[in-house]
Amino acid sequence: ILNVEQSPQSLHVQEGDSTNFTCSFPSSNFYALHWYRWETAKSPEALFVMTLNGDEKKKGRISATLNTKEGYSYLYIKGSQPEDSATYLCAHFSGGSNYKLTFGKGTLLTVNP
Amino acid sequence: DSGVTQTPKHLITATGQRVTLRCSPRSGDLSVYWYQQSLDQGLQFLIQYYNGEERAKGNILERFSAQQFPDLHSELNLSSLELGDSALYFCASSVQAGDVINEQFFGPGTRLTVL
Repeated sequence: ILNVEQSPQSLHVQEGDSTNFTCSFPSSNFYALHWYRWETAKSPEALFVMTLNGDEKKKGRISATLNTKEGYSYLYIKGSQPEDSATYLCAHFSGGSNYKLTFGKGTLLTVNP
Repeated sequence: DSGVTQTPKHLITATGQRVTLRCSPRSGDLSVYWYQQSLDQGLQFLIQYYNGEERAKGNILERFSAQQFPDLHSELNLSSLELGDSALYFCASSVQAGDVINEQFFGPGTRLTVL
């Protein structure tokens, strides 16, 4: 992986379904990974900051895991609700204090009631 | 409300002109980041300032410059504007340097339209 890629690009689920999506990134020179939630007509809002291989973070029904060796992070939403509808972005920091920061293009999640 | 403010909310100008976008970080945050979001692109990182000094540089064009003032507000200056500079410009702030591991708080953005 040479770039930061998120999959799928979009996802439609029913209320109550659990879902997950992926952020893939170059595994070399990893420094940190952030997940953001971005609702339409609003600003991105931080969900998780992840730095260590094997990190698992949880906030309510949303959780994330990190594998820096193979270059991916998963975001899970348990029991999706319509208010979870948003674009979920990952941001990859590489290179240490003189870092390079690259955002993925996001996964657009729509939760149907 | 993240506590980060940006002005103006909207800006319409002509090609060749110069504009200044302003950002005030959350109280206590020393770092300010600037981002550009164009129609077909994701969020592009432009530049970071920490306590008045440039800290990291992303895909910022030479026609663009930024600074952070002693009161920690920041300005992004865009000159010789082109149609392709039309975008949503976000500012974000976080607590401190070495803060790639700290979450960023985003402002509401400035929508720039170049005609």
